[in-house]
Amino acid sequence: QVQLVESGGGVAQPGRSLRLSCVASGFTFRSYGLHWVRQAPGKGLEWVALLSSDGSEEFYADSVKGRFTISRDNSKKTLYVQMNSLRPEDTAVYYCARDRDGYGNFDYWGQGTLVTVSS
Amino acid sequence: NFMLTQPHSVSESPGGTVTISCTGSSGRIGATSVQWYQKRPGSAPTTVIHDDDQRASGVPDRFSGSIDYSSNSASLTISGLKTEDEADYYCQSYDTYNSYVVFGGGTKLTVL
Repeated sequence: QVQLVESGGGVAQPGRSLRLSCVASGFTFRSYGLHWVRQAPGKGLEWVALLSSDGSEEFYADSVKGRFTISRDNSKKTLYVQMNSLRPEDTAVYYCARDRDGYGNFDYWGQGTLVTVSS
Repeated sequence: NFMLTQPHSVSESPGGTVTISCTGSSGRIGATSVQWYQKRPGSAPTTVIHDDDQRASGVPDRFSGSIDYSSNSASLTISGLKTEDEADYYCQSYDTYNSYVVFGGGTKLTVL
């Protein structure tokens, strides 16, 4: 069965960096675009970034553009997001999600990993 | 940017029927598909409806989705409400002009 397992969350000070990982199993990893989506405490779902199946195209929400970088290693079936210059408003549970058709049509989600940005 | 607007909350009694609306800005509903996700506190989102009106695997037929192009809106209808349906529901689509995934603000469903 399809599984997405995130890791790498934790506490970081403002201005510092964190890298999240999402390990996939149960499907042909290289055939699917993948996303990061987050939910801040008490807030709604917010899309963060998208990376195409071959890694050639990446798109970002304005709130993270220039600070976050999405990447993937198809040989390791792993999706990453490098988060730099973290801000308190980046505090959220971060989910990775598989894209059914390349247009943000999510069909599977990970369980999420919590990132807290605080001094 | 393209935006999706949902009511903040809806409520209905067990056994009843509720419809959650999702209105697109700039007349763009239908340009790409609309999805609906269920989100319970402490749990990951799950897909309820994809491609406007297709139920995700394992979702009961009490859940249905539709698009009304005349009103530029999508709807999620849940019939035969159960207390287990209590959750936040989010509509979602894609802004092709900006290559941007868009979520509605979410609707809290209370079944009481």
